[in-house]
Amino acid sequence: DTAVSQTPKYLVTQMGNDKSIKCEQNLGHDTMYWYKQDSKKFLKIMFSYNNKELIINETVPNRFSPKSPDKAHLNLHINSLELGDSAVYFCASSFTANQPQHFGDGTRLSIL
Amino acid sequence: KNEVEQSPQNLTAQEGEFITINCSYSVGISALHWLQQHPGGGIVSLFMLSSGKKKHGRLIATINIQEKHSSLHITASHPRDSAVYICAVSGSGGSNYKLTFGKGTLLTVNP
Repeated sequence: DTAVSQTPKYLVTQMGNDKSIKCEQNLGHDTMYWYKQDSKKFLKIMFSYNNKELIINETVPNRFSPKSPDKAHLNLHINSLELGDSAVYFCASSFTANQPQHFGDGTRLSIL
Repeated sequence: KNEVEQSPQNLTAQEGEFITINCSYSVGISALHWLQQHPGGGIVSLFMLSSGKKKHGRLIATINIQEKHSSLHITASHPRDSAVYICAVSGSGGSNYKLTFGKGTLLTVNP
């Protein structure tokens, strides 16, 4: 029933580890996004994909690698985690650009 | 200076009051979004507009493209309206897949 689902909801790990966050949408949307919300609650786009193609890469470090195996999935893999990566990561989707976006519940990543 | 500025940053109101949150932007846009984030963290899209005015229940959003300004109004506010309201803009041309966000307005409605 969930429109945009992210897993896991919470992720606690140590500096230097590699982790992945999965995102799936069942809305039939063509476009998917990853956003980062920092400790001051400020949202910033990281990536957007349209029909599995990367459209926006907003100067995100190479340690972050999105993967879109199909239109319904956009996963985020992070290598060599750093303290500054601690944040809430939101996945979202829309039919295309300039359409209302549907957000997942967020994944709270904490780096020890 | 952020490309999207919201005011006020914090707003406290009594139940029943009329609320206005403002958003100004400095770049060309293709659309403006109003989002709501509840204390639990989930984000919901309230409106997307590129001209004029939209209404949904007690919420009204307006945009003035010439003045690069939008307002979100809440009529007959209720404690359940307490949340962070975020303004975001889609760029124009190839940047229309990119949302740029304001810092949000924390609204608290007291009973």
